[in-house]
Amino acid sequence: QVQLVESGGGLVKPGGSLRLSCEASGFTLSDYYMGWIRQAPGKGLEWISYISSTSSTKFYADSVQGRFIISRDNAKNSLFLQMSGLRPEDTALYYCARGGYFSSSPERDWFDPWGQGTLVTVSS
Amino acid sequence: SDVLTQPPSVSVAPGKTASITCAGNYFGSKSVHWYQQKPGQAPKLVIFFDTDRPAGIPERFSGSNSGNTATLSITRVEAGDEADYYCQVWDNIRDHCVFGTGTKVTVL
Repeated sequence: QVQLVESGGGLVKPGGSLRLSCEASGFTLSDYYMGWIRQAPGKGLEWISYISSTSSTKFYADSVQGRFIISRDNAKNSLFLQMSGLRPEDTALYYCARGGYFSSSPERDWFDPWGQGTLVTVSS
Repeated sequence: SDVLTQPPSVSVAPGKTASITCAGNYFGSKSVHWYQQKPGQAPKLVIFFDTDRPAGIPERFSGSNSGNTATLSITRVEAGDEADYYCQVWDNIRDHCVFGTGTKVTVL
């Protein structure tokens, strides 16, 4: 079945770096846009980043622009999020999610399914 | 830019209808999607393209999109529908995905 499994979360000091991974199975990763969404403890969903199927186009939320980099390796069925300059407000559960299928534009895309998330805690 | 405003909470008796609104700009021209998140679980898609249901989602869940407001309706509400619900659109001016503020549905 279609499955997404995130890993790489943990405790990191402010200013530190972390690389999240998302392993996809049950579908052809190269057919889909992929995204990262986070949820701070007790808060709502916040979109972080979105990447096209060929990595040619990448989108970022203002809150992470210049600090986070999204990438993917379709041959290895994997999505990544390189996070640097981490701040306490980046503390959250980070979800990867499958986006548009053969999408030509993100305008109409939704996220389905989602992984179970990996927890990132930024604290000294 | 898109700010998607949802009521923080909606309470409904079992068997009744819950309506969750999502207010934003220029909604009529955008596709709205809805997610359900139960405690301790990842979000789950319940409505896409304003009105369509993924496989396995009961017909009790329906969506509409008109003017500046999208609505998720849950008819014949059951205890298992208790969850947080989020709307989502793509802001094509800023090239950003936007989630609504979220609504907690409580079944009385």
